[in-house]
Amino acid sequence: DGGITQSPKYLFRKEGQNVTLSCEQNLNHDAMYWYRQDPGQGLRLIYYSQIVNDFQKGDIAEGYSVSREKKESFPLTVTSAQKNPTAFYLCASSPRTSGMQFFGPGTRLTVL
Amino acid sequence: EDKVVQSPLSLVVHEGDTVTLNCSYEVTNFRSLLWYKQEKKAPTFLFMLTSSGIEKKSGRLSSILDKKELSSILNITATQTGDSAIYLCAVEATAGTYKYIFGTGTRLKVLA
Repeated sequence: DGGITQSPKYLFRKEGQNVTLSCEQNLNHDAMYWYRQDPGQGLRLIYYSQIVNDFQKGDIAEGYSVSREKKESFPLTVTSAQKNPTAFYLCASSPRTSGMQFFGPGTRLTVL
Repeated sequence: EDKVVQSPLSLVVHEGDTVTLNCSYEVTNFRSLLWYKQEKKAPTFLFMLTSSGIEKKSGRLSSILDKKELSSILNITATQTGDSAIYLCAVEATAGTYKYIFGTGTRLKVLA
């Protein structure tokens, strides 16, 4: 089945720790995105990548890092520099010729 | 500054009612607008509207783009409890970047 997978579904982290959220897609999409969603708010763009080995900062990139070494994978690292990391994180992908984005099931990160 | 504003923020209706959700935008160079439905986790795609496709319909849902008013509406007729969700609007911030700005969403609750 084609789709986007994110893991883990739930993640707990202690303050001061870095964590990496996984996002994999087998849709052969060129573009991939990471969003953060807080209660009562829409999706805010963290990073996006339109092609392998290239990525751009979104609106709230501080405290996050990404890599795009493979077309299928776009992992997000939440570093200790992110002051308020507790949130719901969504990964998406889209074909290069269309902006229509398909979303993964999300990872809920809680910092203890 | 690019922005997308949705209204109302929340809405409670009874089954069978018709609802209209609004999305207005200010972006650098409009190319496309997306509507999504988010029930629990991953948003699911509803419609994409562009200059060449300003009206879309699927079953009880329809959407219209008004480029002059820089807005879009999403209509749901004969609402059902299964329509209860957050409806998200997203607009491509700068044509060709596939970088989308999301509104805060409209939370719709349909009562039986």
